[in-house]
Amino acid sequence: DTGVSQDPRHKITKRGQNVTFRCDPISEHNRLYWYRQTLGQGPEFLTYFQNEAQLEKSRLLSDRFSAERPKGSFSTLEIQRTEQGDSAMYLCASSPPPQEGYGYTFGSGTRLTVV
Amino acid sequence: AQKVTQAQTEISVVEKEDVTLDCVYETRDTTYYLFWYKQPPSGELVFLIRRNSFDEQNEISGRYSWNFQKSTSSFNFTITASQVVDSAVYFCALSEGQSNTGKLIFGQGTTLQVKP
Repeated sequence: DTGVSQDPRHKITKRGQNVTFRCDPISEHNRLYWYRQTLGQGPEFLTYFQNEAQLEKSRLLSDRFSAERPKGSFSTLEIQRTEQGDSAMYLCASSPPPQEGYGYTFGSGTRLTVV
Repeated sequence: AQKVTQAQTEISVVEKEDVTLDCVYETRDTTYYLFWYKQPPSGELVFLIRRNSFDEQNEISGRYSWNFQKSTSSFNFTITASQVVDSAVYFCALSEGQSNTGKLIFGQGTTLQVKP
């Protein structure tokens, strides 16, 4: 297993366009998290899945954002009608169930630039 | 409300100096976890340590050491004999045990620059 993979690494889009990012977690991890990191700040929690169920969403996740994790494997994060304020690094992480310890592993992130 | 504060925005040291990165947290939970992550210029977050709230033993791993003090809600990180490769942004993070979500609350980060 090569860890958590995110695709693409970089995305430049025009304001108003839709974008979709993909995250492939570590295969035996049932939890998957999305975070957003803006320049000079720490990552901020967006949402998380346990298997295919989306169990929590941050208030940061506006109606333009949607995340899915079909079949409890990979996840996608879509941003509709992008705005310049959406420019950030989007990080995905996965972890095993809590009883197995908080073994968080982060991906390398997708850097989004909205022009 | 839970919160993590890293008051030092940037620290600059010369190689071989010791440096301590401060972290203060707030939580109402009695069960929680504290983390340190390193983020080099390449962007990925590298896990350094996890400590649970019931384990106040300090830990040393090579040149890294951590000082957890519940009385002051602090979890400070010291790098001994710093090296240029230690240059990165370091994040302290908190995860509350009772909510069981596992989500992390990060501080703002401390940028460490180690000069040769």
